[in-house]
Amino acid sequence: EAQVTQNPRYLITVTGKKLTVTCSQNMNHEYMSWYRQDPGLGLRQIYYSMNVEVTDKGDVPEGYKVSRKEKRNFPLILESPSPNQTSLYFCASSLFFPAKTGGGTSNYGYTFGSGTRLTVV
Amino acid sequence: AQSVTQLGSHVSVSEGALVLLRCNYSSSVPPYLFWYVQYPNQGLQLLLKYTTGATLVKGINGFEAEFKKSETSFHLTKPSAHMSDAAEYFCAVRFDRGSTLGRLYFGRGTQLTVWP
Repeated sequence: EAQVTQNPRYLITVTGKKLTVTCSQNMNHEYMSWYRQDPGLGLRQIYYSMNVEVTDKGDVPEGYKVSRKEKRNFPLILESPSPNQTSLYFCASSLFFPAKTGGGTSNYGYTFGSGTRLTVV
Repeated sequence: AQSVTQLGSHVSVSEGALVLLRCNYSSSVPPYLFWYVQYPNQGLQLLLKYTTGATLVKGINGFEAEFKKSETSFHLTKPSAHMSDAAEYFCAVRFDRGSTLGRLYFGRGTQLTVWP
């Protein structure tokens, strides 16, 4: 089954304790991204990656790191979590150039993970 | 700058009534448009998308949306609401130009309540 897998689903941690949220996709997608969802603010992009070893900041990157050493994995790292990073996090992946597959732009679409609810106390 | 605006953070309708959720975008380039639904304590599910071709797009669960370039809008509709439609709905837009290539921008969401 084509999917994006995030772990853990729920995490409670203390301020300053480094943590990693994992994200893995099995669709051979070039593009991966992390979002955080906060009430009334919708989803905001943290970081994205257009391919292996290619990452860039989204709209709210402060306090986060990412890496893309393999095509399928895109972990989100919080080196020193703070309470304002308490949020619901989603990983997503997509074909970056759908035309290559012959499907044209009809293949434009993003598959989301089930989310990680993080609480920092 | 590109942006996505959903008018109305909360919409309430009676069961059987028309559902209309509004989405406008600002962009200087043709966008790709998406509607996602999020049920309580769940992830995001794609309802429908517009990329090219027919501007009236049909999605799952009886929803449809029409891309109106002149109005820069992509409003979501359903002729008859069902209790199971109660959820949060997000409009999202992809602008494939320059620094925004591949990026998906979301509106702030509209919470739909359906009354019996």
